[in-house]
Amino acid sequence: AQSVTQLDSQVPVFEEAPVELRCNYSSSVSVYLFWYVQYPNQGLQLLLKYLSGSTLVKGINGFEAEFNKSQTSFHLRKPSVHISDTAEYFCAVRLTGANNLFFGTGTRLTVIP
Amino acid sequence: NAGVTQTPKFQVLKTGQSMTLQCAQDMNHNSMYWYRQDPGMGLRLIYYSASEGTTDKGEVPNGYNVSRLNKREFSLRLESAAPSQTSVYFCASSESPFVAGANTEAFFGQGTRLTVV
Repeated sequence: AQSVTQLDSQVPVFEEAPVELRCNYSSSVSVYLFWYVQYPNQGLQLLLKYLSGSTLVKGINGFEAEFNKSQTSFHLRKPSVHISDTAEYFCAVRLTGANNLFFGTGTRLTVIP
Repeated sequence: NAGVTQTPKFQVLKTGQSMTLQCAQDMNHNSMYWYRQDPGMGLRLIYYSASEGTTDKGEVPNGYNVSRLNKREFSLRLESAAPSQTSVYFCASSESPFVAGANTEAFFGQGTRLTVV
């Protein structure tokens, strides 16, 4: 069975500080990996995705993530956060050849002025 | 380009009432999905439709039915609403992963906030 774990439910960080949001997954087959962001009262927007190739993936708004197959992780990072990054972030996994996405429970990032 | 459109945006139901949540996408995607979002639980898949004419259960299908009306539209029906179905419902779509080289990104609607009293 596959699962997605986001260990941190809430992450407060000061403006202009770096941040890392953690995501681990378990799967017996190859996966595609995604990070989505949800701003208050809105739907989900794709930040970045890993399908294949380079393990370091760059996304929108200055975010990046690194796929680590041996540690089954896909942590999201940003070197300097802004107030506007305050939102909930979801990691998601899709098995290759399958139709459904499995989501983690989300991490609420709060950027403190 | 509207993407994924959900209606209604908000709804209050009494226990036992029925309703249908509508979803339409204009990206010519094969696959469509219904998720529910509850605090501390992330998004959980209710039903999905891999292609027109097919539907399959997800993680939490009990109490729901779906219809893939055509390639564009995928509706979710609550036959007899219960307070446990109070949630935010999201519809999403993506190209089929069975198509070589297909982009597996899912696009989401803005959500329907449903309260069952």
